[in-house]
Amino acid sequence: DGGITQSPKYLFRKEGQNVTLSCEQNLNHDAMYWYRQDPGQGLRLIYYSQIVNDFQKGDIAEGYSVSREKKESFPLTVTSAQKNPTAFYLCASISRVGVGANVLTFGAGSRLTVL
Amino acid sequence: SQKIEQNSEALNIQEGKTATLTCNYTNYSPAYLQWYRQDPGRGPVFLLLIRENEKEKRKERLKVTFDTTLKQSLFHITASQPADSATYLCALDSLTGANNLFFGTGTRLTVIP
Repeated sequence: DGGITQSPKYLFRKEGQNVTLSCEQNLNHDAMYWYRQDPGQGLRLIYYSQIVNDFQKGDIAEGYSVSREKKESFPLTVTSAQKNPTAFYLCASISRVGVGANVLTFGAGSRLTVL
Repeated sequence: SQKIEQNSEALNIQEGKTATLTCNYTNYSPAYLQWYRQDPGRGPVFLLLIRENEKEKRKERLKVTFDTTLKQSLFHITASQPADSATYLCALDSLTGANNLFFGTGTRLTVIP
């Protein structure tokens, strides 16, 4: 079945460590996104990429980095510069931006906890 | 800046009744309004969308209305079942890209048997 695979499902990080969250899709979608979800807040956009080797900052990009070397993959690195990284991270994709509504397909999420 | 409010954080209803969830917005002119379902510890799943020029949309037991004058969407689940218990998110879509897709905080619906 086509979809988005995020790993790991749960991740624990010590202060000062960088961690990388994996996101792989086999939907042949052009655009991929990373969101952060905190209790009582809507999804907030961290980074997005509409094409390989290009990505843009979202609303809360500070302390995060991404790469898009392959169409299928869009990993997110949470760096030590991110002051409050404990959250639920969601990867999503869209078939093609600008063609109809922007309906997102989401992965199952990764929960990061800083110890 | 744009603001989205979903009327209540949590809603409890009896099985078989109709659940009505509200999404209000300000400072925005969406081309579409989308509704997603999210189960605990999972990613949201798209349910249905409604265009700005549509008043009502139906899909099985789901019905969505969209009033651009009131800047409000109502999401109804008829004949609710315990399996409908989840968090429901609304999202405003301006068609300019998912970098301009704004989500509400969600309403957690519990259907009591």
